[in-house]
Amino acid sequence: QSLLTQPPAVSGAPGQRVTISCTGSSSNIGAGFDVHWYQQVPGAAPKLLIFANSNRPSGVPDRFSGSKSGTSASLAITGLQAEDEADYYCQSYDSSLSGSRVFGGGTKLTVL
Amino acid sequence: QVQLVESGGGVVQPGGSLRLSCAASGFTFSAYGMHWVRQAPGKGLEWVTFIRSDGNSKYYADSVQGRFIIARDNSKNTLYLQMNSLRLEDTAVYYCAKDLFCSGGTCYRLIDYWGQGTLVTVSS
Repeated sequence: QSLLTQPPAVSGAPGQRVTISCTGSSSNIGAGFDVHWYQQVPGAAPKLLIFANSNRPSGVPDRFSGSKSGTSASLAITGLQAEDEADYYCQSYDSSLSGSRVFGGGTKLTVL
Repeated sequence: QVQLVESGGGVVQPGGSLRLSCAASGFTFSAYGMHWVRQAPGKGLEWVTFIRSDGNSKYYADSVQGRFIIARDNSKNTLYLQMNSLRLEDTAVYYCAKDLFCSGGTCYRLIDYWGQGTLVTVSS
């Protein structure tokens, strides 16, 4: 059981908007630690998608956006494309686990 | 460009040992902390361990504490993971990953590059 909770799956049609939530607690997201998001296409290593809650690395389309509020964070994807079908993971730091990083359980995005 | 190439995976019996290596290039290895992250078949990502750039501080997930040892050789640009007393539940793809991402003059403690992973299978 991960300290960060994500829905196992979300889906949307091409062109639609979907959101993926990441719910934590007062020892991680609620403590002010940044949330980062990774995209993992089947058979590949994860790729950094959003850093520090809402920032995109260069090369990531602006269809991807992140936000954080209280003990939760969200990833939004607008204008869904077939290539967005992948697993998405949130990641933060937890003060109860010395030096460690914590990942959400992952969300499988299906583009219908 | 940053490259991380893992090796050393394979099939091992429960209770056995295995050592993974990760050859790093394309960045100043000695300046960055490094992680191992694993992913069991069909499952999510699990952080395993982290070592600071100078090798003097190491952190472990509870699931591997006392069994796994992370180490690095900055003269060889190589990260290691010594895995002892392996269990069936240690079966996973093990990724080597670089810490610290810098953008716009600010640096963030996060994983920004991942290797392609090496598969460890614990089976009798």
